[in-house]
Amino acid sequence: AQSVAQPEDQVNVAEGNPLTVKCTYSVSGNPYLFWYVQYPNRGLQFLLKYITGDNLVKGSYGFEAEFNKSQTSFHLKKPSALVSDSALYFCAVRDWENQGGKLIFGQGTELSVKP
Amino acid sequence: ETGVTQTPRHLVMGMTNKKSLKCEQHLGHNAMYWYKQSAKKPLELMFVYNFKEQTENNSVPSRFSPECPNSSHLFLHLHTLQPEDSALYLCASSQDWTVGYTFGSGTRLTVV
Repeated sequence: AQSVAQPEDQVNVAEGNPLTVKCTYSVSGNPYLFWYVQYPNRGLQFLLKYITGDNLVKGSYGFEAEFNKSQTSFHLKKPSALVSDSALYFCAVRDWENQGGKLIFGQGTELSVKP
Repeated sequence: ETGVTQTPRHLVMGMTNKKSLKCEQHLGHNAMYWYKQSAKKPLELMFVYNFKEQTENNSVPSRFSPECPNSSHLFLHLHTLQPEDSALYLCASSQDWTVGYTFGSGTRLTVV
């Protein structure tokens, strides 16, 4: 079965420190992977994606993610966290068993950045 | 503004009321989705429409009734809801799975 897992419900980081939000996946086809961010009472906003190419993907707001095929991971990273990065982060993978190209979302990780 | 517009932003309704949520996109996308997001729970996919045809219904109770009159508009008709249906309802659209989804800002629904 295809799935995506975010093993941490919450990540706490001090402002200025590097942050990592973890994501692992299991798919039957090529892994097309996405990260989204959600601020309170808002919809999800696209951050970055991996379809093919370089394993290190750069996205919005200084975020990047590293695709690791052997570890089936796609962790989200940022070198220096900001308080404004505090939000809910979702990892997603394309569902190859669905013709419509539906995304499967992880359960979300709440990132809290303290001053 | 993402290009996907949801109205209303907030809705309070009684359990015997009938209301509708609206989602509109003019991005040229051909797939539209309804998601339910409850507090402390993962996103729950409710319905999927591709080219106006419903392609997925994830065992959603019949008190939720979707309608997709064209590729730009998606509705969620609500009737005789329960308090546990209170949640943020998100609409999304996509054209090509390589670019993922575009989400609306959601409708915060409270059932009293």
